[in-house]
Amino acid sequence: GIQVEQSPPDLILQEGANSTLRCNFSDSVNNLQWFHQNPWGQLINLFYIPSGTKQNGRLSATTVATERYSLLYISSSQTTDSGVYFCAALTNYQLIWGAGTKLIIKP
Amino acid sequence: SQTIHQWPATLVQPVGSPLSLECTVEGTSNPNLYWYRQAAGRGLQLLFYSVGIGQISSEVPQNLSASRPQDRQFILSSKKLLLSDSGFYLCASGLAGADTQYFGPGTRLTVL
Repeated sequence: GIQVEQSPPDLILQEGANSTLRCNFSDSVNNLQWFHQNPWGQLINLFYIPSGTKQNGRLSATTVATERYSLLYISSSQTTDSGVYFCAALTNYQLIWGAGTKLIIKP
Repeated sequence: SQTIHQWPATLVQPVGSPLSLECTVEGTSNPNLYWYRQAAGRGLQLLFYSVGIGQISSEVPQNLSASRPQDRQFILSSKKLLLSDSGFYLCASGLAGADTQYFGPGTRLTVL
């Protein structure tokens, strides 16, 4: 079946820094989503992005479906950005999840 | 928009005891419903999904079962918990034919 890989697995940054998280998927997918899981466990939808680029405040995402990858950009990081970022690829009606990138933003 | 409720938020149970976790959804009708488990805060494992009342598909053979007695109610159960059942259980809802899933706050289960 389809596989989703994320990199890096862990990332520690100083507040104010920028970061890029990557998600590779092994086959064509119907869609791709990015989620943020905060330290309390709540999963929050960030982007629903089958292709192209979307922006929401300091966050933006780009998916290049033909090359089977997606990137999540975080600019001017804040401590509240800490947590685990997941990408998930939709195939049929199931989400296939990456293992996540654990992001720690230090004040 | 959809709101997904889960309870309890945390649960500590002895090995061999039964389990019942409940998930209810507001703001939509006939959703696809999902149970996930997350161990050690990394990676979500799909346990069950349902496309309608009484329709349950299992992804991973295990000690757990799921039921959907009503359109917007999804229940995760076990007759006898194992230590390996410990984890963070998340319920999700997605509209049939749409791509986005929305998640409840989760239940943190510890089996001792």
